[in-house]
Order: sequence, then structure tokens, then C-alpha cells
Amino acid sequence: GESVGLHLPTLSVQEGDNSIINCAYSNSASDYFIWYKQESGKGPQFIIDIRSNMDKRQGQRVTVLLNKTVKHLSLQIAATQPGDSAVYFCAENIWDTGFQKLVFGTGTRLLVSP
Amino acid sequence: GAGVSQSPSNKVTEKGKDVELRCDPISGHTALYWYRQSLGQGLEFLIYFQGNSAPDKSGLPSDRFSAERTGGSVSTLTIQRTQQEDSAVYLCASSLTASGGWTDTQYFGPGTRLTVL
Repeated sequence: GESVGLHLPTLSVQEGDNSIINCAYSNSASDYFIWYKQESGKGPQFIIDIRSNMDKRQGQRVTVLLNKTVKHLSLQIAATQPGDSAVYFCAENIWDTGFQKLVFGTGTRLLVSP
Repeated sequence: GAGVSQSPSNKVTEKGKDVELRCDPISGHTALYWYRQSLGQGLEFLIYFQGNSAPDKSGLPSDRFSAERTGGSVSTLTIQRTQQEDSAVYLCASSLTASGGWTDTQYFGPGTRLTVL
């Protein structure tokens, strides 16, 4: 499969562990944030999103935390499974001259060992 | 269709040739986006369509790049006189709207991997 990035930060965990992937965003005016998962050779897949008026949002096995004070976003994956191995991107939604644009972070590679 | 589709999945071309990349968004989605993902880098925004119009083309890397969308659905990204630095995965995404609400979630296609020899 295709490698998304050769020099990405990598988080290695054991199956069953909880994983936390962090992201710093740049624009204090960003109002919407999304986490995407990208497996090798595939497009980014939506995982979970959060609005700036929220601090926490939970999905199935995933939780996103937003700290606007320090402009930090995290993705927590509970009971990590080998199928969770992928590159994870955070994205912030910004308004640029009247339309929305997603600005992506550089990504974190998650490696899950059985 | 159930998701965003793109064609071709892979394209190998010679330097100087023109290429066309196609994107079929999710049915009913009015907003469509093109991104480029180079090896070792994140996603780079190229252009956005609301309906058939592109309000901002400033993300296109050069005047060799152009895109159009017809009928509020299919979009084509054209690269003229391709260069080796154009080699990348070109991703398309669509969203229901681009109005700033929850309906703005962008859903991505599988991408087209372009290799310029």
C-alpha cells in the first residue's frame, strides 16, 4: 500500500490499550474540528467531529477533547484494535473569504501490535 | 452512489502530458473540494465548489491546474503540461452544504494517485 508520510510522528500501542493522539491547531477563530483516519491507499475517513462550543464529544470507542485555551485537540481510542492502525489527521475548519476550508495537521501514525 | 468516487485510481503519465482526474460526489452534496496529498506531507487544499462555481481558486498551485464542475455534480481536475512535482494523490471530498453547520462534514473519496515520469 501507499505510505501517507515517511516522517510522521508515530504512536505504538499494544492491542487493548487506550490510545491518545494529540493535535495543536493554529487559528483561534476555528469553530469546527474533525478527526480523520487514513489507511494505506485509501482516502481519509471521518471519525468524529466537535464544535468549538463543546469540550468533549464521544462516539463509539472514540472521544474527542477540545481545549480552546491552549488550542489543543485530542483523540482518545479505547481498547485499541489492530484495525485501528492508520494515520490520523486532525482538521480545523476556518472561514476564508466567505467559504469554509479544512486545514489539516500533518498526521500521526498509530501502530497497534497484537 | 454511497460515497465519493474518483477515477482513475492510478494514473501514470509522461512529463508534459495533460491529465484529467474525475470526482463523483455523494448524491445531493452541493459542496465539493479538491486536495493534494504529497508523500511525507499532509493534505493541501486546492479548490472548492459550491454548486458549479468556485469562489476561491487561490489554492491551485499554478495556472497549469484548472477544475470545473457541471450540473452541480461531477467535477474534473485538469493538469496541463504535467511536471514531476505534480506527482501526488489527488483527493476529492464533498459535503452536504458549506454553510457553517454540522452538515459541513467533508467525506473523502479514495483518491487518484498520479505519477509523472
